[in-house]
Amino acid sequence: QSALTQPASVSGSPGQSITISCTGTSSDVGNYNLVSWYQQHPGKAPKLMIYEGNKRPSGVSNRFSGSKSANTASVTISGLQAEDEAHYYCCSYVNGGTWVFGGGTKLTVL
Amino acid sequence: QVQLVESGGGVVQPGGSLRLSCVTSGFSLAKFNMHWVRQAPGKGLEWVAMIEDDGRALWYADSVKGRFTISKDRSRNTLFLQISSLRSEDTAVYYCAKDGRGYQFDYWGQGALVTVSS
Repeated sequence: QSALTQPASVSGSPGQSITISCTGTSSDVGNYNLVSWYQQHPGKAPKLMIYEGNKRPSGVSNRFSGSKSANTASVTISGLQAEDEAHYYCCSYVNGGTWVFGGGTKLTVL
Repeated sequence: QVQLVESGGGVVQPGGSLRLSCVTSGFSLAKFNMHWVRQAPGKGLEWVAMIEDDGRALWYADSVKGRFTISKDRSRNTLFLQISSLRSEDTAVYYCAKDGRGYQFDYWGQGALVTVSS
């Protein structure tokens, strides 16, 4: 199972919006609405930000939103803040009881 | 509140074995699927294994199949990962993670570092 494809890096200024894409195949992203997104700060464990494509866990800011079109999922962060600077990973369930992550995207807040 | 605490990491020689533990609290292991996810130094996340809530079904990434074994002891609220025939590419921080019923990982431990080196 190949990793999902994410851009290596994105950047934006405080207050702006950015979108991170996550491209898979018809066997993973395209076949299920089961993409989740994780935020990871250096030296910390990942934190769930979005699940089932567009749902936010309790406590996650509504500045984070998810979407999907065909084999590509996306997360949008609006009103960028300095604390959003981190690595972001997408993940999709794959047929057969396995999961696949994206390679990760480093978000820099300028 | 939900807590996951890993232990058992360390330095091991190529071909060696190690058992990682993840002590859980705040929920019942009998009611949720559990996962192991790893992260090589400076690299991205890689899903490793899952054990279903009833413990009957086990799933593994191709990269570890036949070498790693996931298990749990519900009486001790503990998840395990037995790792053997270790290779240098198995060097990573290993995280245990709780499944949130929506095919996502909603709680994570702090991670346990496994270093494979001679």
